[in-house]
Amino acid sequence: AQSVTQLDSQVPVFEEAPVELRCNYSSSVSVYLFWYVQYPNQGLQLLLKYLSGSTLVESINGFEAEFNKSQTSFHLRKPSVHISDTAEYFCAVSEIIQGAQKLVFGQGTRLTINP
Amino acid sequence: DTAVSQTPKYLVTQMGNDKSIKCEQNLGHDTMYWYKQDSKKFLKIMFSYNNKELIINETVPNRFSPKSPDKAHLNLHINSLELGDSAVYFCASSQGTGPRGAQHFGDGTRLSIL
Repeated sequence: AQSVTQLDSQVPVFEEAPVELRCNYSSSVSVYLFWYVQYPNQGLQLLLKYLSGSTLVESINGFEAEFNKSQTSFHLRKPSVHISDTAEYFCAVSEIIQGAQKLVFGQGTRLTINP
Repeated sequence: DTAVSQTPKYLVTQMGNDKSIKCEQNLGHDTMYWYKQDSKKFLKIMFSYNNKELIINETVPNRFSPKSPDKAHLNLHINSLELGDSAVYFCASSQGTGPRGAQHFGDGTRLSIL
C-alpha cells in the first residue's frame, strides 16, 4: 500500500518569505503525485501534479514542486508567499486499485502567513 | 456555476438518526467519490463510482450506503448515526478512473452528531 508523510503539521512564515512544505511518499509502483490546497470552509483544489516527464512542476500562482525519486520526496516550494496563501496543503499519491484511482493523502500542513 | 455541489452544507442531528447527503456535478465527469475528513483534517476515501458502478469500497461500516442514480449524482445515506461519524464529508468527481483525471471537490458537508 502506498502512503504519504507530510513532515510538518504547521508552518508559520512571514509575508514575502520563501517556504517549503515537505512531503515524502512510499510506493512500490508507478508514482503519480499531487498537491492540493484547502482554504477555510472550502473543498480541496488541485495545485499541481506530477504524472511523468519533467520532475519540476509548477502551478499558476507561483508554487512549484520537484519529484525526487531517489529521496522519495515531492516537496512544495514558493519563493515569496502572500497572505492569501494561508491554507491547509495536502500532498497525495495516486494508487490504482482494479483500474480505479484512489488518492492517499498525507496529514496536511497548515501554512500560516504573518504580516 | 458550481462544479461539484453538496447539500446540505451543515447537518446537525441526534445519535441514532438516519440522514442523507446529496452530491451533484455538472462537469460531465463519469467518476465520483466520497471522502471523509476527520477533526484532525485527515482525509480518507470512502467510495468511488464509475458510470454508476461501485469501484472502490474502503473499509466503511455498512451503515453507510452510497447511491448513484446517474453519472452526475452520488448520494450518501447514513443509518443509525454514531458520535464517531462527526466529520466533514467531501464529494469529488473526475473524468476517467486514472491519475490523469484531476479530482474536483465540493465544499463539503459538516456533519455534527449530538
